[in-house]
Amino acid sequence: DAKTTQPTSMDCAEGRAANLPCNHSTISGNEYVYWYRQIHSQGPQYIIHGLKNNETNEMASLIITEDRKSSTLILPHATLRDTAVYYCIVRVNSGGSNYKLTFGKGTLLTVNP
Amino acid sequence: NAGVTQTPKFQVLKTGQSMTLQCAQDMNHEYMSWYRQDPGMGLRLIHYSVGAGITDQGEVPNGYNVSRSTTEDFPLRLLSAAPSQTSVYFCASSYSLGGEGEKLFFGSGTQLSVL
Repeated sequence: DAKTTQPTSMDCAEGRAANLPCNHSTISGNEYVYWYRQIHSQGPQYIIHGLKNNETNEMASLIITEDRKSSTLILPHATLRDTAVYYCIVRVNSGGSNYKLTFGKGTLLTVNP
Repeated sequence: NAGVTQTPKFQVLKTGQSMTLQCAQDMNHEYMSWYRQDPGMGLRLIHYSVGAGITDQGEVPNGYNVSRSTTEDFPLRLLSAAPSQTSVYFCASSYSLGGEGEKLFFGSGTQLSVL
């Protein structure tokens, strides 16, 4: 699976949009981009994923560049409850037995009042 | 639905003791997995299963044993606990491998200390 690079930490004001970047310059054509987050002491939580097109759900939006070498997770109106470590992961949705979803160190997003 | 349930939430062991971390899911998910998380590090895959009777190793399998006799349960066994196994353990499941079904659902974790 392709390696990802994320900033170690970011700050955001409550009510503002939080834009979390992720570089995945070695991504291949059949690899999806996934985002998860982990609030302190809890299990990670799935947020969103995409392949080529931008995606939006009730939690966030995912913007993938045209060359697919980077992406941005957008939380449109950040709240204090969004303070968490956000993980960007790229992997092939190929099924089979070679399943290893690798989590890096992620970005610690702190939402300030 | 309860989702993914892990027990116990906390456990203290002495070096050499054995124990089983329990994981159960009620979503009829085929895929289940175990991760460990150490301070300042991401999650590392220990073992995973793609269905009842089928298991495979992840990144850090040494010292751990798993089996999958039912779809619902995926216990993780520590045969002889070592201080290096002090960590937080997470169990995760998903509906399927590949395609749109590959969203992992995580349990709330088991914090294990080995003295």
